[in-house]
Amino acid sequence: EVQLVESGGGLVQPGGSLRLSCAASGFTFNSYSMSWVRQAPGKGLEWVSAISGSGGTTYYADSVKGRFTISRDNSKNTLYLQMNSLRAEDTAIYYCAKEGQVAVRSFDYWGQGTLVTVSP
Amino acid sequence: EIVMTQSPATLSVSPGERATLSCRASQSVSSNLVWYQQKPGQAPRLLIYGASTRATGIPARFSGSGSGTEFTLTISRLQSEDFAVYYCQQYNNWPHPPLYTFGQGTKLEIK
Repeated sequence: EVQLVESGGGLVQPGGSLRLSCAASGFTFNSYSMSWVRQAPGKGLEWVSAISGSGGTTYYADSVKGRFTISRDNSKNTLYLQMNSLRAEDTAIYYCAKEGQVAVRSFDYWGQGTLVTVSP
Repeated sequence: EIVMTQSPATLSVSPGERATLSCRASQSVSSNLVWYQQKPGQAPRLLIYGASTRATGIPARFSGSGSGTEFTLTISRLQSEDFAVYYCQQYNNWPHPPLYTFGQGTKLEIK
């Protein structure tokens, strides 16, 4: 059974940093691209960042480029998101999501999400 | 950036009836279109990919259609568990960021 479990969210002041983790199990982790998708309270979904299975290629939304860094440790089956220079508008639930095998470029499994709140 | 626009924002339908949700892209995305369902307090769930292919385990009452810029998600014979928010997502831009963009969602509520 595929499982994605996020952790690391919390309350942080503007300008602060936070690192999110996503522990994966139930599939061959290094074979799949992974993404972070966020959802501000009461709002829709926004793709944040993606990383290839090997970790060699990364992508970012313009809203986080230069502030967030996605990475993965395939030996630990874990995905990360380092978030620096946080702003109030980064407040959201952050989901890690696995790219589909058959449903390519869609997200067939999601974690339960971790809440990041940026506030003084 | 490809902008996805969903309509209506809220759709009120009675159980047992049919619901039709729309998604429009600001430019052609071919058939590179996905639909998700999200219930309160839960993560999104993959319903449809490639505009019209049901994901594993998705009931046949869910169907997707369209290509280019106009897409439709149809739910026939609505059941109580179908009332949720539905999002479309395009991936035609891949590998150029933003890789994926979502519509703002359609809330399907009980009439």
